[in-house]
Amino acid sequence: AQSVTQPDIHITVSEGASLELRCNYSYGATPYLFWYVQSPGQGLQLLLKYFSGDTLVQGIKGFEAEFKRSQSSFNLRKPSVHWSDAAEYFCAVGHMNRDDKIIFGKGTRLHILP
Amino acid sequence: SAVISQKPSRDICQRGTSLTIQCQVDSQVTMMFWYRQQPGQSLTLIATANQGSEATYESGFVIDKFPISRPNLTFSTLTVSNMSPEDSSIYLCSAREDTQYFGPGTRLTVL
Repeated sequence: AQSVTQPDIHITVSEGASLELRCNYSYGATPYLFWYVQSPGQGLQLLLKYFSGDTLVQGIKGFEAEFKRSQSSFNLRKPSVHWSDAAEYFCAVGHMNRDDKIIFGKGTRLHILP
Repeated sequence: SAVISQKPSRDICQRGTSLTIQCQVDSQVTMMFWYRQQPGQSLTLIATANQGSEATYESGFVIDKFPISRPNLTFSTLTVSNMSPEDSSIYLCSAREDTQYFGPGTRLTVL
């Protein structure tokens, strides 16, 4: 069955520290992978996506993610977080050129300490 | 990338009433979706809004409760019918082009 697991419900890091949010997936075909961010009271904004090619993907706001097929993972990273990065982060998997639905993880809420 | 707007952005409604949420995309898209996000939860797909035909509903969601219209390739509506407090959620519209984009959501509170 297709699924997405974000094992960390909450993560707290200090401003300026590095960040890694974990995401593991189960998908029958080669997946399309996404990270979205949701700030309080807002909709979802696409941070980055992986379709094919280079397994290290650069996104907006200084985020990057690495696709590791052997580990079925697509972890999100940022070298130095800012207070404005405090938000909910969702990992998702799907396939854009088929009728497959996008499946979302349960999300990781990021807290930033000053 | 598609830009998606939703109206209303929020509403407070009485039990037993209905609310229609509008979703407008700034370009023609083949696929549009409606999601529900209950407080503190992830997104749950309600249905796929098909242009010119009935929506395709996910398990646990029915047309009588969540009727959907899709009159053209840029617009869709979702109605939440006969509301109860359990319907209090954020409702998100989404459109798929090369990737999937989301509207800002409609925050619904049912008293």
